[in-house]
Amino acid sequence: QQPVQSPQAVILREGEDAVINCSSSKALYSVHWYRQKHGEAPVFLMILLKGGEQKGHEKISASFNEKKQQSSLYLTASQLSYSGTYFCGTGTGGGNKLTFGTGTQLKVEL
Amino acid sequence: DSGVTQTPKHLITATGQRVTLRCSPRSGDLSVYWYQQSLDQGLQFLIQYYNGEERAKGNILERFSAQQFPDLHSELNLSSLELGDSALYFCASSVSSRGANTGELFFGEGSRLTVL
Repeated sequence: QQPVQSPQAVILREGEDAVINCSSSKALYSVHWYRQKHGEAPVFLMILLKGGEQKGHEKISASFNEKKQQSSLYLTASQLSYSGTYFCGTGTGGGNKLTFGTGTQLKVEL
Repeated sequence: DSGVTQTPKHLITATGQRVTLRCSPRSGDLSVYWYQQSLDQGLQFLIQYYNGEERAKGNILERFSAQQFPDLHSELNLSSLELGDSALYFCASSVSSRGANTGELFFGEGSRLTVL
C-alpha cells in the first residue's frame, strides 16, 4: 500500500521553512526521500534506516519514527532550487524495492 | 547524469501495438528496477531484477514483461497497448545486496510513452 504524503502541495517564499510528512500503514525498515524537478528524473536526497536516526544534508534534514511508521522531511531557509516534487519511498526489508508516496509539490517563490 | 541510460526518450504508438523500452544500468550496479509514472498515480513500482533474476514484482500488468540480460541491461516489453498505458517509464539501478533497503536508487531520464 502506498505511503501517504502531506501536504499535497505547498508554496513558500524564499527563506521560509517547510515540513513534508510521510506515513505508512506497514512496518518500515527504511525511508528514502527523492526530489523530482519537472521533466527530470527523481534524485536521491537521503535514506533513513530503522533506529530513528535523523539525517541531514545542508539545510534539508529528515527524521524517522519507526514506531509510528512515519518520516518527516524538514527544509529550512528554502531556496528557489528546492522547488520540485518530493517523494518518500518506503522499504519493508529485503532488496531495494521501494513503494513511493504520491508526492508533495513544493514551489519556492521570491 | 545518473549513469543510467534509457532509450527511447519518447515513443508514440497506437493502441494494440507492442513496444520495448531499454535500460542500461550504472556500471557495477546489479539491480534494475522499473517504475511507471502517470499524472495521478505517482511512481508505481513494476518489477525488479537482480543479476539476471526477477527479485520483486509490483503492480505489473500481464501484458507487460521484463528481463535482465547477462550484460545487466534490461528491457521492458509492453504489449496490446491501451490509452491508459501512456506514462513516463523510469528505470533505476542500484548496487543491491540481498540485504535490506540501504541503497540509493539512480534513475534514468525516463521513456515517455504516448499511446494514441
